Amino acid sequence: GAGVSQSPSNKVTEKGKDVELRCDPISGHTALYWYRQRLGQGLEFLIYFQGNSAPDKSGLPSDRFSAERTGESVSTLTIQRTQQEDSAVYLCASSLALVNTEAFFGQGTRLTVV
Amino acid sequence: TQLLEQSPQFLSIQEGENLTVYCNSSSVFSSLQWYRQEPGEGPVLLVTVVTGGEVKKLKRLTFQFGDARKDSSLHITAAQPGDTGLYLCAGEGSNYKLTFGKGTLLTVNP
Repeated sequence: GAGVSQSPSNKVTEKGKDVELRCDPISGHTALYWYRQRLGQGLEFLIYFQGNSAPDKSGLPSDRFSAERTGESVSTLTIQRTQQEDSAVYLCASSLALVNTEAFFGQGTRLTVV
Repeated sequence: TQLLEQSPQFLSIQEGENLTVYCNSSSVFSSLQWYRQEPGEGPVLLVTVVTGGEVKKLKRLTFQFGDARKDSSLHITAAQPGDTGLYLCAGEGSNYKLTFGKGTLLTVNP
């Protein structure tokens, strides 16, 4: 595709349910990032993939959060047993794994836990 | 852990005024990027600075990278309502990981 695509664009879920967020990066981009953005706030780093490997998972808030990437393409972010504090916009970005590379962002998935 | 501190967090000014926002870190970055984010959208890259002391201009926006490559500033001249948005700086570390600051939310009032 022409840009980074995220789905769903909006998700409302009940507390305690599991959710899966999907990111389709730009073709050929080997680096992929997940960030969380709470209302009116900046970007909180969650996890970063280089190819299918995640060298840095330090941003995952708890063991309820996990992510994977396959085929150096699609990535999924899974949140188990969702809590109200998980409500936020989850942004995905991809970039070429080169120095001074631009990150291209999707429009995000707005997650609301009720 | 590489951290980027942005200041101010919020800025509300009148059309025509000048402003500067700052991005500071104790870490050295190979490059630093500035993004602008509008409501409901993902951030979009404005500029990348690479060399210590580098200055780049984009119309009314002037970006500067500190000599030690630890800090940067964004100066906007004669701000317009269309400049309203969240301005984010991001530093690229040695492993290509992008670390973002929390952003400066700019409101330019007509």
